[in-house]
Amino acid sequence: AQSVAQPEDQVNVAEGNPLTVKCTYSVSGNPYLFWYVQYPNRGLQFLLKYITGDNLVKGSYGFEAEFNKSQTSFHLKKPSALVSDSALYFCAVRGRGSQGNLIFGKGTKLSVKP
Amino acid sequence: EPEVTQTPSHQVTQMGQEVILRCVPISNHLYFYWYRQILGQKVEFLVSFYNNEISEKSEIFDDQFSVERPDGSNFTLKIRSTKLEDSAMYFCASSAVGGNQPQHFGDGTRLSIL
Repeated sequence: AQSVAQPEDQVNVAEGNPLTVKCTYSVSGNPYLFWYVQYPNRGLQFLLKYITGDNLVKGSYGFEAEFNKSQTSFHLKKPSALVSDSALYFCAVRGRGSQGNLIFGKGTKLSVKP
Repeated sequence: EPEVTQTPSHQVTQMGQEVILRCVPISNHLYFYWYRQILGQKVEFLVSFYNNEISEKSEIFDDQFSVERPDGSNFTLKIRSTKLEDSAMYFCASSAVGGNQPQHFGDGTRLSIL
């Protein structure tokens, strides 16, 4: 079965420092991977996706993610964190089928302190 | 930028009553989805809808639930005989055709069953 794991419930980073939010996946076949961010009382906002091609994917708000097939990982990164990046981050993999549903990880709370 | 809109933002209902959650997907999208997020838990897929029929549904989406596209713009989720455990955030999403297209989410409806 397709699944996603986010091993960290919370990540704490100082403003200006690089951040990494971890995600590993388990799929049969080639994965379609996504990162979403959720601010308080808001829906999930699409950040970036990996479908095929370059392993380093760039997305919104300066975020990027690195696809690593051998480690089955898709970690979210940003070179310099902002306080406004504080939010809940979800990794997701597309389920079976051409328009399959998204299977989400449990989410990681990112806290960026000034 | 086009958005998925959901109404109401908060719905309070007595147990056993029926509720209808409403969504207006992005206008040129053809795939529609409902997800739910019980407080403190993962975002879970409920159902996907394409070409006026359900294309996929999860185990959660039993006979208590139904979806409908009553006109060219709205997409609704009906929950009959609500139970306490139906209390959750319900998110609507839509996407364009193509397996690499991201799903775009609304801000959700918080459903509270008393």
